[in-house]
Amino acid sequence: ILNVEQSPQSLHVQEGDSTNFTCSFPSSNFYALHWYRWETAKSPEALFVMTLNGDEKKKGRISATLNTKEGYSYLYIKGSQPEDSATYLCAFYGGATNKLIFGTGTLLAVQP
Amino acid sequence: GAGVSQTPSNKVTEKGKYVELRCDPISGHTALYWYRQSLGQGPEFLIYFQGTGAADDSGLPNDRFFAVRPEGSVSTLKIQRTERGDSAVYLCASSLTLVDEQFFGPGTRLTVL
Repeated sequence: ILNVEQSPQSLHVQEGDSTNFTCSFPSSNFYALHWYRWETAKSPEALFVMTLNGDEKKKGRISATLNTKEGYSYLYIKGSQPEDSATYLCAFYGGATNKLIFGTGTLLAVQP
Repeated sequence: GAGVSQTPSNKVTEKGKYVELRCDPISGHTALYWYRQSLGQGPEFLIYFQGTGAADDSGLPNDRFFAVRPEGSVSTLKIQRTERGDSAVYLCASSLTLVDEQFFGPGTRLTVL
């Protein structure tokens, strides 16, 4: 059974704080690691698709890193804003499965 | 352009009833996926289609669940004799091919009373 874990489960921060979450995944048969942002009542929105060990990607105040050898990825948010409040999901895509295996998500709440 | 759409957005039904959930993928996307997200869990894979055929239905929990995609576009997830444990958000996603980025719909929230 492929296990994708995310921590922490939830996070409450003040506006302006920087924060980060962790996603751990199997290091074998790795093809890609996806990060999604999911606001209530909306579609999950793709943030990053990461494929190469050592990859770092950035979109505005959000960035992510990838370590495929040890099986983890970090998502960073710099200067959190209330509109960043959402569930952040990572999903592992392995060559043997042809489907995304999701973690349980990190629920971020940013207080103004 | 239009994204993935799902109908209905909310469905409340009684235990034992039959429900159908619809997904309209992005035009031209050959791969279509169904996921289920139960409270406190991440989305869990149910089934995916490549064209009209179900390429992998290993995530369907039991034979009460069935999905079709007869013309390789719209898909319907069908649940017979619903149970309270079926209550969840059912997400649909589509991608250009199996290895491309998946685009998600907003989900259907199913509540079985």
